[in-house]
Amino acid sequence: KNEVEQSPQNLTAQEGEFITINCSYSVGISALHWLQQHPGGGIVSLFMLSSGKKKHGRLIATINIQEKHSSLHITASHPRDSAVYICAVRPGSQGNLIFGKGTKLSVKP
Amino acid sequence: GAVVSQHPSRVICKSGTSVKIECRSLDFQATTMFWYRQFPKQSLMLMATSNEGSKATYEQGVEKDKFLINHASLTLSTLTVTSAHPEDSSFYICSARDSSGSNEQFFGPGTRLTVL
Repeated sequence: KNEVEQSPQNLTAQEGEFITINCSYSVGISALHWLQQHPGGGIVSLFMLSSGKKKHGRLIATINIQEKHSSLHITASHPRDSAVYICAVRPGSQGNLIFGKGTKLSVKP
Repeated sequence: GAVVSQHPSRVICKSGTSVKIECRSLDFQATTMFWYRQFPKQSLMLMATSNEGSKATYEQGVEKDKFLINHASLTLSTLTVTSAHPEDSSFYICSARDSSGSNEQFFGPGTRLTVL
């Protein structure tokens, strides 16, 4: 079993839909990252969370430390949101990031 | 937000040549930088951890003599792929950890290496 599991693996949505991507992990962590990787390859750091909830524009990230679960929500999705979304956790206080396999999102106009 | 740059963004080279990739943290200091490799449709794989002023720590299976890492300042780390072969063709991504206390880790845009 992978230490970081993301669901779904692939997601197709219509423009305007509300999207949720889930991340579950099995180790104790000090931080969780949500990353966005566009087809060209470049990675953008969206959020780093250690508790609670963060919001940036149309993106919302939540984390439940007790349940070892995080969600990334996209409101009013747009075709430009099409990308691979990656969850990564830092075990302990200084451990190296452990990456999920990513969720490929495609938003159709 | 904090920015990490990589140069070049893509490079094509002949087999046997060496290629240097630079990674810079533009508006923060990073005592620790990370180098990852990503093959198509796969997740990022950590190659090595680079610490300013000391030797890099390589992950198991990564040849330190082939992938030379230099972290000479708090804002610059370089990865040199020596005597490159076609199997080294990949997407190389660096990441830098903010030393200021936030500990947040920021990623560069990546370098696509093609070895002919």
